[in-house]
Amino acid sequence: DGGITQSPKYLFRKEGQNVTLSCEQNLNHDAMYWYRQDPGQGLRLIYYSQIVNDFQKGDIAEGYSVSREKKESFPLTVTSAQKNPTAFYLCASRGMTVQETQYFGPGTRLLVL
Amino acid sequence: AQSVAQPEDQVNVAEGNPLTVKCTYSVSGNPYLFWYVQYPNRGLQFLLKYITGDNLVKGSYGFEAEFNKSQTSFHLKKPSALVSDSALYFCAVRDREGLTGGGNKLTFGTGTQLKVEL
Repeated sequence: DGGITQSPKYLFRKEGQNVTLSCEQNLNHDAMYWYRQDPGQGLRLIYYSQIVNDFQKGDIAEGYSVSREKKESFPLTVTSAQKNPTAFYLCASRGMTVQETQYFGPGTRLLVL
Repeated sequence: AQSVAQPEDQVNVAEGNPLTVKCTYSVSGNPYLFWYVQYPNRGLQFLLKYITGDNLVKGSYGFEAEFNKSQTSFHLKKPSALVSDSALYFCAVRDREGLTGGGNKLTFGTGTQLKVEL
């Protein structure tokens, strides 16, 4: 987990509410990723960013939004349009060389009240 | 498209016995292959990767994996299992040439729960 921090560890969302998950890295990595983990489904890619001020949709982007204003930071907003947000959210980052390893943060568990 | 199959949801092994966690992959072109481990309510920890060269890759905590191109497999192994190895293990693939596009993204398997018992 070292070098990538996610906050909060647990987050509760009320119906109709937008919530934002924080991801910060001090590894000087160019690329950052957000995944959603549900039991028995592995990891699914929500959004990724390869450079500041640019990001791309992953496989399950609907109901989520991101920004990449700084190299170190890649926050994820879970909007009210995401009808089933309860999951474990993982942020990851990677250096730009294609051989490089993707490293993960400790995760945020989002629960719906 | 690229995909990863981990055919076993759970593997049980006695402490001190060898363990194998299976992984097969499908990718356009040549693969980069990765193994990660996840403990409860934690992020994924990198174990090892295959990039090129020797088909037997050694990683953290005594784990190793063997790349077999003809069988499109990358099974994770350890000669002597420990109770502390009990965790969820993920195999992942990325195509080397970037043919899949999309930020050189990783595709993960659904995970294999390893249980090591005394």
